[in-house]
Amino acid sequence: SQQGEEDPQALSIQEGENATMNCSYKTSINNLQWYRQNSGRGLVHLILIRSNEREKHSGRLRVTLDTSKKSSSLLITASRAADTASYFCATVFVGANNLFFGTGTRLTVIP
Amino acid sequence: ETGVTQSPTHLIKTRGQQVTLRCSSQSGHNTVSWYQQALGQGPQFIFQYYREEENGRGNFPPRFSGLQFPNYSSELNVNALELDDSALYLCASSPSARGREGEQYFGPGTRLTVT
Repeated sequence: SQQGEEDPQALSIQEGENATMNCSYKTSINNLQWYRQNSGRGLVHLILIRSNEREKHSGRLRVTLDTSKKSSSLLITASRAADTASYFCATVFVGANNLFFGTGTRLTVIP
Repeated sequence: ETGVTQSPTHLIKTRGQQVTLRCSSQSGHNTVSWYQQALGQGPQFIFQYYREEENGRGNFPPRFSGLQFPNYSSELNVNALELDDSALYLCASSPSARGREGEQYFGPGTRLTVT
């Protein structure tokens, strides 16, 4: 399968703590994206990192990409209860036109 | 919220029936992709349409078919429904040529239950 895999599958932290989620994939990519999903509804795009980039920031989000290890991480700093959701990494592989999603990390932020 | 809309929100069908799901893409987007998300899983790519032509297909049988219209809205049709077709069906549009480069904008999804 070309799907990525996220680690951990579930994460529970206290409000104010940082949350780190990891994603691994198998094939060369054009870019890697992180999405958020609340309660099984539509996905919201968070951040995109291209294969020639190593780190990207957006507000409280920090994404890193290591193409040699075929892995990425998403860091959410100073978490809030409203960050509670499922987070998915999705890759656009070289030669493909679509997103390949990982299995997701379920994040719970306890107030 | 994105400008992508889907209808209906929820649907209950019986095994063997046919279903049509609809998606209106965000203004200016010419690429629409459909995904199936089973409970507790990540979305799985069904197919993509670019300027009314199918532009890639995932590992789904031919009973999953689609259309894209001149206004770039799209339909997903599923024939001979099976119990395993129960899932959240997500539509996503993108402005990029062939949807390869950038982010995709997802609709809220249609929850299909097959009994």
